[in-house]
Amino acid sequence: GQNIDQPTEMTATEGAIVQINCTYQTSGFNGLFWYQQHAGEAPTFLSYNVLDGLEEKGRFSSFLSRSKGYSYLLLKELQMKDSASYLCAVRDRGNTPLVFGKGTRLSVIA
Amino acid sequence: DTAVSQTPKYLVTQMGNDKSIKCEQNLGHDTMYWYKQDSKKFLKIMFSYNNKELIINETVPNRFSPKSPDKAHLNLHINSLELGDSAVYFCASSQSPNQPQHFGDGTRLSIL
Repeated sequence: GQNIDQPTEMTATEGAIVQINCTYQTSGFNGLFWYQQHAGEAPTFLSYNVLDGLEEKGRFSSFLSRSKGYSYLLLKELQMKDSASYLCAVRDRGNTPLVFGKGTRLSVIA
Repeated sequence: DTAVSQTPKYLVTQMGNDKSIKCEQNLGHDTMYWYKQDSKKFLKIMFSYNNKELIINETVPNRFSPKSPDKAHLNLHINSLELGDSAVYFCASSQSPNQPQHFGDGTRLSIL
């Protein structure tokens, strides 16, 4: 089976840094995605990790450790518009569909 | 220039009816998907369709059936709608299963 865990809610201050963790247990591993979803809108792609290490893309970075079944999304210089849900999604093998975690709702406060 | 478009955006109907949701992508992608997002915001795959290969989530009732007239379209037909079908349904596409997915704006289905 597949199990993906991430915190339900987080709150952070504008201008700060926040780290959203994701742990997964799958029979295999073929990539991990992070998506952002604002309330009432569609999910949008943020990052993709398939090898261990850090992928940086502007204010957002994503880290993967396959041996630990662990990833995190790091958001720097938080802005109010970063208030959204952040979804971790894993493909366990081959061409099987993505399995999404339940999402972390991030609130950025002044 | 919408990449993934689905219609209608809102669908309000009565229990027992049959309805369809249409999805079209103009990205030239080979793989398309249908997801259900419930009231708790949990996004769950229903179907993926790649090169005429349909992968079905075994938990999806057979009242739901995807229909793909061509590579750019994957429509969702639902028979005998039930109260528990109320949710937001998202269509998505990607170049291949390992590429990022692009989502449509969602169809908000409400069953009376």
